[in-house]
Amino acid sequence: DIVLTQSPGTLSLSPGERATLSCRASQHISSTYLAWYQQKPGQSPRLLIHAASYRATGIPDRFSGSGSGTDFTLTISRLEPEDFAVYYCQHYGSFLFTFGPGTKVDIK
Amino acid sequence: DVQLVQSGAEVKKPGQSLKISCQGSGYDFSSYWTGWVRQMPGKGLEWMGIIYPGDSDTRYGPAFEGQVIISADKSINTAYLKWISLKASDTAMYYCVRTANYDSFDLWGLGTMVTVSS
Repeated sequence: DIVLTQSPGTLSLSPGERATLSCRASQHISSTYLAWYQQKPGQSPRLLIHAASYRATGIPDRFSGSGSGTDFTLTISRLEPEDFAVYYCQHYGSFLFTFGPGTKVDIK
Repeated sequence: DVQLVQSGAEVKKPGQSLKISCQGSGYDFSSYWTGWVRQMPGKGLEWMGIIYPGDSDTRYGPAFEGQVIISADKSINTAYLKWISLKASDTAMYYCVRTANYDSFDLWGLGTMVTVSS
């Protein structure tokens, strides 16, 4: 089974800074089946990126996804106050959905 | 509005049964896979399983096979998550989710908090 590892566990940044979050798969995966979610405290997660690099409906363009093979990245170009949250990557394959453990982006 | 409306919070004792629900609206419920995601207190997201209401084809995550039952009633656009005998370790928030292309979850419910305590 595919295992997703996210790093760092916590990222402490200031508003306006660039955030780079990593998601690594234990083996090669198709970019088609890699997604990113944001979860704020007390809220449901929301889809940010699907198919590794396609923004979901209504997602600001400061969020971008990239990567292929085993290494994928979520980049937030300039952090806004509302972006401080936990971010999860997720993979689908062989009738299984798998989430990474998450990266918390908090205010420095 | 396109949404998933989940049933309310539950407090149960160990050994009791429970069935929570998720009703889709604003789209063709029968044509989208509907799933369940668990989030234990302070922890990450775990996919539990998924069902296609159109024909009730159901798949489970390995950790949840045999532990829960997922079902759906397409006539009322509702999916269900059922436990026969709850354990304290089932205490968690349970999210209902939709997948359009069996790749990512584009729609989430607000969650149902289940507390199991003696």
